[in-house]
Amino acid sequence: GAGVSQTPSNKVTEKGKYVELRCDPISGHTALYWYRQSLGQGPEFLIYFQGTGAADDSGLPNDRFFAVRPEGSVSTLKIQRTERGDSAVYLCASSLTLGRENTQYFGPGTRLTVL
Amino acid sequence: TQLLEQSPQFLSIQEGENLTVYCNSSSVFSSLQWYRQEPGEGPVLLVTVVTGGEVKKLKRLTFQFGDARKDSSLHITAAQPGDTGLYLCAGPFTGNQFYFGTGTSLTVIP
Repeated sequence: GAGVSQTPSNKVTEKGKYVELRCDPISGHTALYWYRQSLGQGPEFLIYFQGTGAADDSGLPNDRFFAVRPEGSVSTLKIQRTERGDSAVYLCASSLTLGRENTQYFGPGTRLTVL
Repeated sequence: TQLLEQSPQFLSIQEGENLTVYCNSSSVFSSLQWYRQEPGEGPVLLVTVVTGGEVKKLKRLTFQFGDARKDSSLHITAAQPGDTGLYLCAGPFTGNQFYFGTGTSLTVIP
């Protein structure tokens, strides 16, 4: 079956611009996670959803970052007034439901470059 | 301070050699996971260890969870070029968060 997909695969933007990154989870997965991965580092937790609600957004670095999942499936990560330090690969993962025993399946990521 | 420290950070070996990658923490984890990530892809789960002292084998890969559940190791026997990638350990953190280690980048030279 189809895995987690993310679009776009690459996004280049200018400092100060607004960007949206999209994640399509595996069908039927109720839990969805966003991570940020800088070069040579492990993924860093940003936010996770159970259904439509953000269950934990404590990893979002500041109020320029926001994520939604209005219908409990597709999610969009929104970054306002981008800064060069936002450049990273943004990974999305989904799992059947929340819970540490549930395997997370990752998408290929969106590489964001802020010039 | 990183919650999960991995060593070495980089490793380049010849095909056929053995290697061990370490994941260490000062905190106790209820479980630890190991992932492999290839360039341009997301991490893929290899194994989850849940019991202190547990050893799991996946073909040529052997995973061990420390008795005190603060550390884990991944041993690869007779490495092959297809083993090349970024190896990440991860553990459950607050709530349903997962904390990832710093990663070990492995290159196996044919």
